[in-house]
Amino acid sequence: AQTVTQSQPEMSVQEAETVTLSCTYDTSESDYYLFWYKQPPSRQMILVIRQEAYKQQNATENRFSVNFQKAAKSFSLKISDSQLGDAAMYFCAYITSGTYKYIFGTGTRLKVLA
Amino acid sequence: SQTIHQWPATLVQPVGSPLSLECTVEGTSNPNLYWYRQAAGRGLQLLFYSVGIGQISSEVPQNLSASRPQDRQFILSSKKLLLSDSGFYLCAWSEYPGNYEQYFGPGTRLTVT
Repeated sequence: AQTVTQSQPEMSVQEAETVTLSCTYDTSESDYYLFWYKQPPSRQMILVIRQEAYKQQNATENRFSVNFQKAAKSFSLKISDSQLGDAAMYFCAYITSGTYKYIFGTGTRLKVLA
Repeated sequence: SQTIHQWPATLVQPVGSPLSLECTVEGTSNPNLYWYRQAAGRGLQLLFYSVGIGQISSEVPQNLSASRPQDRQFILSSKKLLLSDSGFYLCAWSEYPGNYEQYFGPGTRLTVT
């Protein structure tokens, strides 16, 4: 069965600095999708970024980018120029192509220090 | 554009009472629909998902049930709530066929007393 692991329960970053959140996953599948979600204090889950496993190029969305290492089964999120509004829980998620069930990690709480 | 609604936003119910949470999606057809539960400070637990009207898959057998009476409506129910049912309930949808992006509603905070 697939698993997603986020080994950092909590991280802190100074405003305007860069932070990287880690995510590893375990799967025997070759075709899958990976996601990062942000959950601010309102608890609304917001999609941050998506990565298709068949794409070698790392996904980027403004200040958010990923480092996708397929062989290592690693999918980290880099947040550049951190802002106070980036403070939230961040969840890594996985789904095998052709299926319906998403697997979520346990989350990393990001604190942004002014 | 697509929108997902959940209600109520907050609910306080006594043990043993029934439950009905509703989720509707606008702006798309034949979405995949999901119910998740999130305990305080924890990750997401998938409860049910549906790929079509009347088609429900249960991931966690317990005193909760789900129904999909219409294409874009997903209902979470219980006949008798337990204290352990307290939590934050999130409805989500994804497009089929699509890019597997999943979008979440604002959630319902349920407290069972």
